[in-house]
Amino acid sequence: DIVMTQSPDSLAVSLGERATINCRSSQSVLYNSNNKNYLAWYQQKPGQPPKLLIYGASTRESGVPDRFSGSGSGTDFTLTISSLQAEDVAVYYCQQYYSTPFTFGPGTKVDIK
Amino acid sequence: EVQLVESGGGLVKPGGSLRLSCVASGFTFANVWMTWIRQVPGKGLEWVCRIKRRIESETTDYAAPVKGRFTISRDDSKNTLYLQMNSLKIEDTAVYYCATSVSLDAFDIWGQGTMVAVSS
Repeated sequence: DIVMTQSPDSLAVSLGERATINCRSSQSVLYNSNNKNYLAWYQQKPGQPPKLLIYGASTRESGVPDRFSGSGSGTDFTLTISSLQAEDVAVYYCQQYYSTPFTFGPGTKVDIK
Repeated sequence: EVQLVESGGGLVKPGGSLRLSCVASGFTFANVWMTWIRQVPGKGLEWVCRIKRRIESETTDYAAPVKGRFTISRDDSKNTLYLQMNSLKIEDTAVYYCATSVSLDAFDIWGQGTMVAVSS
């Protein structure tokens, strides 16, 4: 199984400041034949199901604000919130869908400082 | 409106069984792979199982903790996904979500979840 790790476990950022979350996979999730990373980022608020933010490591889902961006390739990935808003308080998960079982990272809780 | 609605959760004793359902609307159910994902309240997300399309022989995959106890199935005529859970254990207690990707990519559609509690 591919093991997903995230850092930090939690972070508190001032409104309008940048938040950066890191994700690492125990093996590459880059599919060489199409040069696509099978890595997604989700946002989950209390009492709600996860919401897809980023897929293919860097493609923003339709309707997701452009302050959210994803980067990285292979085994190391980053989710960046360029200017934190109050509504971004949530837990963020990375997930690989390269091979089953499609594993998730443990989550990073983002709060307002 | 694109939607997934789960049902069938509840309280069951260890060793018992439960069948969850997930009704889809707003997209062509037969064209997508369907997945169950669970989450212990306050904890992280765990992928449980997946079923592919009829043209792919409805191939299934399971996470190790549920293999041999859970069975995923689908009825395309009813736009419904099922999860038959047998020999339930306390550690199966979680909110169970059905999810899918209309583009066979990451999970862009999630249900609201149904709670399964296994307790004596």
